[in-house]
Amino acid sequence: DTAVSQTPKYLVTQMGNDKSIKCEQNLGHDTMYWYKQDSKKFLKIMFSYNNKELIINETVPNRFSPKSPDKAHLNLHINSLELGDSAVYFCASSQMGLTGDFTDTQYFGPGTRLTVL
Amino acid sequence: AQKVTQAQTEISVVEKEDVTLDCVYETRDTTYYLFWYKQPPSGELVFLIRRNSFDEQNEISGRYSWNFQKSTSSFNFTITASQVVDSAVYFCALSERGSTLGRLYFGRGTQLTVWP
Repeated sequence: DTAVSQTPKYLVTQMGNDKSIKCEQNLGHDTMYWYKQDSKKFLKIMFSYNNKELIINETVPNRFSPKSPDKAHLNLHINSLELGDSAVYFCASSQMGLTGDFTDTQYFGPGTRLTVL
Repeated sequence: AQKVTQAQTEISVVEKEDVTLDCVYETRDTTYYLFWYKQPPSGELVFLIRRNSFDEQNEISGRYSWNFQKSTSSFNFTITASQVVDSAVYFCALSERGSTLGRLYFGRGTQLTVWP
């Protein structure tokens, strides 16, 4: 059973194009995240949503727009792709704690390797 | 400033050797959580362990063990009798209960290579 899934796994595209990455989780979690892993393997958070509401929006170019149609899905749309956007993008999910914190374990999807030519 | 430091960029060992991966963290929160994740060559991120700041008991799971020491702000990970399948990048991460809204701060990872 896939817990957190992402599509596509690989995405190769030209500079200037617009592309989307989809994420779905079947863990029943209410919080979802997007992380970016650069070529040196450094992982950094981009966005998070709790119950479809944006709660973290890091310093990310506004060409990146997340959309959460429901608790189980968080998609990432990227406009006008640039060479520097090439990276692996990970989706993750977790459950908000009873006291309203977000420190529970985050489970990650398999990643989407985006290559911009 | 880096909240999580993994000073070892790469470690190579031969199978059956024990290996310890170091992790030092920095936080002002009194309540926080520490994690280890494994990223094998296939690329996915696999959760290994979560510890909270109030539980300093060491944990053992099979060949894996973790040593949490608040006095030195360290959360080290030891693999006993390493195997080739342990070859991966290992990430230590920190989550603070404060106002950071679930941000996981990752270290830069340690690439472990286990040779047969």
